Amino acid sequence: ELKVEQNPLFLSMQEGKNYTIYCNYSTTSDRLYWYRQDPGKSLESLFVLLSNGAVKQEGRLMASLDTKARLSTLHITAAVHDLSATYFCAVASTGANSKLTFGKGITLSVRP
Amino acid sequence: EAGVAQSPRYKIIEKRQSVAFWCNPISGHATLYWYQQILGQGPKLLIQFQNNGVVDDSQLPKDRFSAERLKGVDSTLKIQPAKLEDSAVYLCASGPKTPSETQYFGPGTRLLVL
Repeated sequence: ELKVEQNPLFLSMQEGKNYTIYCNYSTTSDRLYWYRQDPGKSLESLFVLLSNGAVKQEGRLMASLDTKARLSTLHITAAVHDLSATYFCAVASTGANSKLTFGKGITLSVRP
Repeated sequence: EAGVAQSPRYKIIEKRQSVAFWCNPISGHATLYWYQQILGQGPKLLIQFQNNGVVDDSQLPKDRFSAERLKGVDSTLKIQPAKLEDSAVYLCASGPKTPSETQYFGPGTRLLVL
């Protein structure tokens, strides 16, 4: 059974500083997704990582994937208040009927 | 392009009552998913459709939950009878073709079972 762990579960960030959050998974996969969820809202797709060594960047966020270590990182550069949200990673199982398993999410809060 | 539509947005029922949720995916999307998101947790897949066929319903509590996708477009998820632990947000998502592509989520239906 595929298990996805995210840590930390909560992170208080100071504006302007850099941070990294992590997503570990338990079995082989070739696809990993990062989603953002604002309170009371649905999930918004941020990144899709499809291969070992993949790196994607959008604004202050950069995501990378190491399939050998079964680890993805989301790096935040110069945190701003607008980045406050819960971030989920989701890992796709391999095989014909692939499905996503989500982590519990990491809640980021940016303080002045 | 219109997003995934869901209704109702909120529902409060008493335990042992029945409830149904509706989802209209993005036009042309072949795959449709129903997820359950309990407060403080990530979404958990309940059922996955490819067109109007079920691909995976291994995590659907079939004694009380049922889902169908009529004509490969809209879908309904029903709970009968509801239990207290069914209180959650029910998210519908759709994807273009294959599970390898990004899923687009609807706004969700918040269910409270009293």
